[in-house]
Amino acid sequence: LAKTTQPISMDSYEGQEVNITCSHNNIATNDYITWYQQFPSQGPRFIIQGYKTKVTNEVASLFIPADRKSSTLSLPRVSLSDTAVYYCLVGEVRDDKIIFGKGTRLHILP
Amino acid sequence: EPEVTQTPSHQVTQMGQEVILRCVPISNHLYFYWYRQILGQKVEFLVSFYNNEISEKSEIFDDQFSVERPDGSNFTLKIRSTKLEDSAMYFCASSDSDRVSYEQYFGPGTRLTVT
Repeated sequence: LAKTTQPISMDSYEGQEVNITCSHNNIATNDYITWYQQFPSQGPRFIIQGYKTKVTNEVASLFIPADRKSSTLSLPRVSLSDTAVYYCLVGEVRDDKIIFGKGTRLHILP
Repeated sequence: EPEVTQTPSHQVTQMGQEVILRCVPISNHLYFYWYRQILGQKVEFLVSFYNNEISEKSEIFDDQFSVERPDGSNFTLKIRSTKLEDSAMYFCASSDSDRVSYEQYFGPGTRLTVT
């Protein structure tokens, strides 16, 4: 799996848009970019996955520049319930183990 | 929406005792996993299971650990002789055979406390 770097923690306020950027300079051609979310005392939850350009679903958007060496998870209009740890994962698309890093601890303030 | 379930939600056991953690993966999924998370630390991969055998295991998954799919619905993790350092949240996960997706579905976890 390609090494990823993301901020350890971020604070934001309710109603704001939050962008979490992940660096993955050694991403390989076959690698996809996947983001997971983990609420306190719960299992991780898949949020979004992409290969290039932009992907959007009901939860978030994922922006991937042309060189794919970074990606940005965008959460529109966050609420207190978006307080969680967000993990950026880069690897081949296959049914295999997930190696989690420390993630970004996002804290939403009222 | 289908989900992975785990029982019990919390298990307290004495050091040296055997524990079995149970999971019911999503019904049409073929790949099964166990992960653990020690309080305040990263989620760590333990083992993956496919076609009734272990696909891959981590260094953590030593001889004290075993997994089994005893019937068509359950997937269990057994720790033969628990140690204090086995105290953690244990998460079961499953995924389907769609190789386009890197999505694993995690259960709510079992909190294991070894005293």
